[in-house]
Amino acid sequence: DGGITQSPKYLFRKEGQNVTLSCEQNLNHDAMYWYRQDPGQGLRLIYYSQIVNDFQKGDIAEGYSVSREKKESFPLTVTSAQKNPTAFYLCASSGYNEQFFGPGTRLTVL
Amino acid sequence: KNEVEQSPQNLTAQEGEFITINCSYSVGISALHWLQQHPGGGIVSLFMLSSGKKKHGRLIATINIQEKHSSLHITASHPRDSAVYICAFSGSARQLTFGSGTQLTVLP
Repeated sequence: DGGITQSPKYLFRKEGQNVTLSCEQNLNHDAMYWYRQDPGQGLRLIYYSQIVNDFQKGDIAEGYSVSREKKESFPLTVTSAQKNPTAFYLCASSGYNEQFFGPGTRLTVL
Repeated sequence: KNEVEQSPQNLTAQEGEFITINCSYSVGISALHWLQQHPGGGIVSLFMLSSGKKKHGRLIATINIQEKHSSLHITASHPRDSAVYICAFSGSARQLTFGSGTQLTVLP
């Protein structure tokens, strides 16, 4: 079945550590996205990529980094520079007529 | 001011009621999306529309481009419809800008 996988579902890290969230899709989509959701707030765009080896900052890119070495994969690194990293992170990809979302990773920084 | 405003923020209905969730946006858009988010966090795309009206089962989505307004209707609501409903619009790279969501609770 085609879809998007994110791992892990829950992730705990100590403050000051970098952490990488995985996102893989087998939908053959060129465009992929990372969004962040905080309690009671709407989703916000962190980074997006329209093609391999290219990506653009979204509205809240500070403290995050991404790579797009393969079409299928768009990992997100939450760096120690991100001041409030505890959140729910969603990866998505886009076909022509529809958006697909992964199940999300809930990151808690202790 | 948010570019996407949804109302109401919270909605409680009795099973069988007709439900309407509204979405207004302030910029020109290429498409508007309605999404459903369940308590575990997963999001499902319900509709993408750029004009007129779409229907899928008991769900109907409409959009008025001139008035920058869209509505999501649920007919004969059921407790399993309880979820957060989110409207969002697409940018040039199909990236989404989201409303804050409407928490719908349907009571049996």
